[in-house]
Amino acid sequence: QKEVEQNSGPLSVPEGAIASLNCTYSDRGSQSFFWYRQYSGKSPELIMSIYSNGDKEDGRFTAQLNKASQYVSLLIRDSQPSDSATYLCAVALNTGGFKTIFGAGTRLFVKA
Amino acid sequence: GAGVSQSPRYKVAKRGQDVALRCDPISGHVSLFWYQQALGQGPEFLTYFQNEAQLDKSGLPSDRFFAERPEGSVSTLKIQRTQQEDSAVYLCASSFGQGGGGYTFGSGTRLTVV
Repeated sequence: QKEVEQNSGPLSVPEGAIASLNCTYSDRGSQSFFWYRQYSGKSPELIMSIYSNGDKEDGRFTAQLNKASQYVSLLIRDSQPSDSATYLCAVALNTGGFKTIFGAGTRLFVKA
Repeated sequence: GAGVSQSPRYKVAKRGQDVALRCDPISGHVSLFWYQQALGQGPEFLTYFQNEAQLDKSGLPSDRFFAERPEGSVSTLKIQRTQQEDSAVYLCASSFGQGGGGYTFGSGTRLTVV
């Protein structure tokens, strides 16, 4: 089992719709969770961080965390073609070390 | 500097050649990380520095890989006797605080071993 798992997609949504991206992780003790956006040929860019159970909203983005289910999600409201990218889920492990483990990413296409 | 700077942007190496990749983190950032990203995959952790101390090198794939950050700022990732499987994008990231999580990544170095 991979430490951080994501559906590779592609996920295709029409412009204006809600895109829902999901992630599960295996380290039950993890405390810090992140979503990065990566455009093709570019480096990852941090868009959201979440540390507590529940929802965290930032503009059109909402991160959701459920530690009991070891599940993290990212909702993108009013999706725009410019949101088309790969979204990487990342989890900081609770091993006493400093690793942050990334999922393989979900490719999102927003159709105009 | 304003961001994390990596050089070179692209590197083509013949198999067996040694390469050195440079990372200049954001000024004042304590933590520096190296990741390797293969095509279609997420970044894979290589190593972590807190100032000049290398606190975690568990992700380095073999003893051909070596990283240093002697003065707690600029870091160099060195790969000896490059192999084709080393072809990837090497990403450097830094953060102000200690430990993992919310990073600023550099633009990466795309290494191609031929």
